[in-house]
Amino acid sequence: QSALTQPPSASGSPGQSVTIPCTGTNSDVGGYNYVSWYQQYPGKAPKLVIYEVFKRPSGVPDRFSGSKSGNTASLTVSGLQADDEADYYCSSYSGNDMGVLFGGGTKLTVL
Amino acid sequence: QLQLQESGPGLVKPSGTLSLTCTVSRGSISTSRYYWGWIRQPPGKELEWIGSVHYDGSTYYNPSLNSRVTMSVDTSKNQFSLRLRSVTAADTAVYYCARPVAPNNDAFHIWGLGTLVTVSS
Repeated sequence: QSALTQPPSASGSPGQSVTIPCTGTNSDVGGYNYVSWYQQYPGKAPKLVIYEVFKRPSGVPDRFSGSKSGNTASLTVSGLQADDEADYYCSSYSGNDMGVLFGGGTKLTVL
Repeated sequence: QLQLQESGPGLVKPSGTLSLTCTVSRGSISTSRYYWGWIRQPPGKELEWIGSVHYDGSTYYNPSLNSRVTMSVDTSKNQFSLRLRSVTAADTAVYYCARPVAPNNDAFHIWGLGTLVTVSS
């Protein structure tokens, strides 16, 4: 069982928006603004799309946005495109000397 | 653009030691305050952070692996390394090295391609 909880799957049609939640505790997601999101295609290394809850690295389109409420962080992908179909992982710093935690991943399908 | 490349044996025997090196190119490993990370992913499973190492040698590890892990840095070769002792089939995974997006941050922005390590006799 992963330290952070994500739904195993999510889906949406092209042009729609989809939100993926990531639930932790007040010792990780809820306690720090160090939540990150990664996009991963099969057989490829993960790509950072969101860090520090809502910041986007250079080159990541603004269709990707992040937020947090309490112990749950969320990644929203707006204006869904076919190449958004991938696995998405959340991550958070943990203050219980646990270091870096990852979620179990969510497979996003573009219908 | 900074690049990372993992290298090491692709096959390790059970109870043996897994040793991997990450070579940093187009940049210096001695950039202050970055902790360089190792992350792994068993086939078909989620990512797992193994630990991180600073160029000055300071480290912090995943508590679940802490007793078996050692990380180090060789600034003269612009490399950092991972050693995982007493491996079992559960340690079979793609191993990635990565650098965070900013100093004192654990969001990994630059990744190596990954290398598959299989634990089998």
